[in-house]
Amino acid sequence: NAGVTQTPKFQVLKTGQSMTLQCAQDMNHEYMSWYRQDPGMGLRLIHYSVGAGITDQGEVPNGYNVSRSTTEDFPLRLLSAAPSQTSVYFCASSYFSSPVGEQFFGPGTRLTVL
Amino acid sequence: GENVEQHPSTLSVQEGDSAVIKCTYSDSASNYFPWYKQELGKGPQLIIDIRSNVGEKKDQRIAVTLNKTAKHFSLHITETQPEDSAVYFCAALSQAGTALIFGKGTTLSVSS
Repeated sequence: NAGVTQTPKFQVLKTGQSMTLQCAQDMNHEYMSWYRQDPGMGLRLIHYSVGAGITDQGEVPNGYNVSRSTTEDFPLRLLSAAPSQTSVYFCASSYFSSPVGEQFFGPGTRLTVL
Repeated sequence: GENVEQHPSTLSVQEGDSAVIKCTYSDSASNYFPWYKQELGKGPQLIIDIRSNVGEKKDQRIAVTLNKTAKHFSLHITETQPEDSAVYFCAALSQAGTALIFGKGTTLSVSS
């Protein structure tokens, strides 16, 4: 199993550009989530999904969209990038339809918005 | 809103000493408390978790204790080793059971 994969690893955007961060898992996990990690702020939940076709907002959803058309994929879309979205983004998945039990994290995407 | 406070933000110990990280949570309905370890340049990894019907759980050199009345839980690492150096995050399950609320993290440095 590849586990949780994220692409790209690094990205630089200009203010106003849009892009999609890709996340995929091959473990047939129900629960998937996106976090952003900023210095001194810990991990903050952006969006999550408890199964294919179901998504919901986390703590910091503004400026981001998600979809879950398949069990495997959970892309995160930045609609119009802003410097405040400069961060490291982690995708995670867990077997059950909740984050109880081990969440497997991807390696992260480091995004810089100029 | 739901909140998790984590202390200290940095902790330096000598190899072989014990390390303790403490967290408090705001939602009395929380019933699941995991701890994650993040090594430099990697994603976090679960190291131990505890549910609200248990007061303490051990796994080799690490242990977690939970005090539901006081709404706090702690991570204890004994006989620390340099490879324990990392950022540690505590978390609590939201009341709805659909999200983890993370603390801001503790950077542990173990010097030999």
